Amino acid sequence: DGGITQSPKYLFRKEGQNVTLSCEQNLNHDAMYWYRQDPGQGLRLIYYSQIVNDFQKGDIAEGYSVSREKKESFPLTVTSAQKNPTAFYLCASTGLRATGGYTFGSGTRLTVV
Amino acid sequence: ILNVEQSPQSLHVQEGDSTNFTCSFPSSNFYALHWYRWETAKSPEALFVMTLNGDEKKKGRISATLNTKEGYSYLYIKGSQPEDSATYLCAFITGYSTLTFGKGTMLLVSP
Repeated sequence: DGGITQSPKYLFRKEGQNVTLSCEQNLNHDAMYWYRQDPGQGLRLIYYSQIVNDFQKGDIAEGYSVSREKKESFPLTVTSAQKNPTAFYLCASTGLRATGGYTFGSGTRLTVV
Repeated sequence: ILNVEQSPQSLHVQEGDSTNFTCSFPSSNFYALHWYRWETAKSPEALFVMTLNGDEKKKGRISATLNTKEGYSYLYIKGSQPEDSATYLCAFITGYSTLTFGKGTMLLVSP
């Protein structure tokens, strides 16, 4: 079955460490996105990519980095520069016109300990 | 940053009740309006993608309408069932932006 796989489901990070969240899709979608959810807030866009080897900052990109070396993969690195990284992270993908809506992964909950 | 407002924030209804939610968005530069259902411990699932003013879409007991001139969309659930319990998200996109989400409406349907 086609879909998006995010791993790990839960991640614990010590302060000062970088961590990388994985997102893989087998839907042949061109565009991929990373969102962050905090309590009481809507999903906020961190980074997105519409084509391999190209990506754009979203509304809250500071302290994060991404790469898009393959169409299927869009990993997100949470760096030590991110001041408040504890959150739920969702990856999504879509065809370029998004006529069918976005397809989401099941998310990664990151906790800083 | 574009602003998408959803109301109510949460709703608790009894099984069999019909209910509706509102999504308000900027009416300028409209491209599309999305509705998603997000059940606990699952991924958000696309319900509707709406692009035309006056559009009405239906999926089983759930339907949605769109008014792009005044900047709002309604989501209706007829005869709510416990399995309808979820957070319903709307999201708006212009021709030059990515999807901007509202905070969602959390629906709880009691048997």
